[in-house]
Amino acid sequence: EPEVTQTPSHQVTQMGQEVILRCVPISNHLYFYWYRQILGQKVEFLVSFYNNEISEKSEIFDDQFSVERPDGSNFTLKIRSTKLEDSAMYFCASRADRGPYEQYFGPGTRLTVT
Amino acid sequence: AQSVTQLDSQVPVFEEAPVELRCNYSSSVSVYLFWYVQYPNQGLQLLLKYLSGSTLVKGINGFEAEFNKSQTSFHLRKPSVHISDTAEYFCAVVNFGNEKLTFGTGTRLTIIP
Repeated sequence: EPEVTQTPSHQVTQMGQEVILRCVPISNHLYFYWYRQILGQKVEFLVSFYNNEISEKSEIFDDQFSVERPDGSNFTLKIRSTKLEDSAMYFCASRADRGPYEQYFGPGTRLTVT
Repeated sequence: AQSVTQLDSQVPVFEEAPVELRCNYSSSVSVYLFWYVQYPNQGLQLLLKYLSGSTLVKGINGFEAEFNKSQTSFHLRKPSVHISDTAEYFCAVVNFGNEKLTFGTGTRLTIIP
């Protein structure tokens, strides 16, 4: 069964450094998303991406965040200057353009900012 | 804006007993509803979804949920739980024509042998 993959599974970085989290969505999907889950808290929407542009973003997704689909298979989330409060599990998701609505989630990247 | 309330943060249940995890939502428009499960140190897996049609939906691992529009609820049930059901369960909602999934705070289901 096709699945969303994410790399790395765990990333440790120092405050102020830039990080790029990578995702490979399911191949025929056209909608892409990033969510995050701070330890012990609920999953929060960050951004949705369709047709090579952001279709919706949350208040959390400020200027330090950016997303990109650099080629036909990858979808990335960049955090320009990480803060301690960016420590969280980041989930990528994707969905098809047609058929029943369902967002498929990847296994997540645990980001630790020290 | 939509919101989801999961009143029970933790639910302990004896093995083979039935369980109900409660979910209420709020939205000014029509919605799709979902239950996701998160096993320890893993990602989110879809258990079941309500898009339209029959209000009783069946999912994987013997779970089912009932959509009640008048009570704005989407409670998850299983008639007999197993140790392997130990996990965090999240209810989620998305408005028609929207892309943002809004999650509840989750319910930690603990199965007691």
